[in-house]
Amino acid sequence: GEDVEQSLFLSVREGDSSVINCTYTDSSSTYLYWYKQEPGAGLQLLTYIFSNMDMKQDQRLTVLLNKKDKHLSLRIADTQTGDSAIYFCTNYGGSQGNLIFGKGTKLSVKP
Amino acid sequence: KAGVTQTPRYLIKTRGQQVTLSCSPISGHRSVSWYQQTPGQGLQFLFEYFSETQRNKGNFPGRFSGRQFSNSRSEMNVSTLELGDSALYLCASSLGTGGGQNIQYFGAGTRLSVL
Repeated sequence: GEDVEQSLFLSVREGDSSVINCTYTDSSSTYLYWYKQEPGAGLQLLTYIFSNMDMKQDQRLTVLLNKKDKHLSLRIADTQTGDSAIYFCTNYGGSQGNLIFGKGTKLSVKP
Repeated sequence: KAGVTQTPRYLIKTRGQQVTLSCSPISGHRSVSWYQQTPGQGLQFLFEYFSETQRNKGNFPGRFSGRQFSNSRSEMNVSTLELGDSALYLCASSLGTGGGQNIQYFGAGTRLSVL
């Protein structure tokens, strides 16, 4: 079935760049999304990219999309301790037409 | 504009009881989706309601049900609670008009603990 895969953990130092990677199986989705979840909170939409784009930049965030390889990445420049959270990539997929989520990548930022 | 509001934030129930969770979507949004989040299974889709009709449903037993009212507010009900139902239940609202850019905005969730 449809699937989204991400590495589970990423640790970086404050001020470095973080790159979170994601692969997905359903290529029919028109948009792909990145959400952030802080402890005890819901999901906050960070950014999204249209499937016919290769790159989208939004302040410290850069999204790269390789549609051929079904690979999506989120780069966070100048990572801060406040960026520590779980990051989910997701897209609409499958017969149910719902968002398909990976397990999420837990980003830890060390001062 | 107010965001998605879920009530209550926390609930403690015992096995066999039933529970009702509430979700008020962003004004103007007609679609409400529900997700269950657990450490083991991650985020799993429960169901989606649009204009008071269930439009999509995930692979959950019939103990999980929902409904949507004419003002787009939605409720989710779980009957005969089991220990495994302990989870964070997230509600998301969207315009629901399809066409791809159907961004879902999430509430803070209801943390359900079943003892």
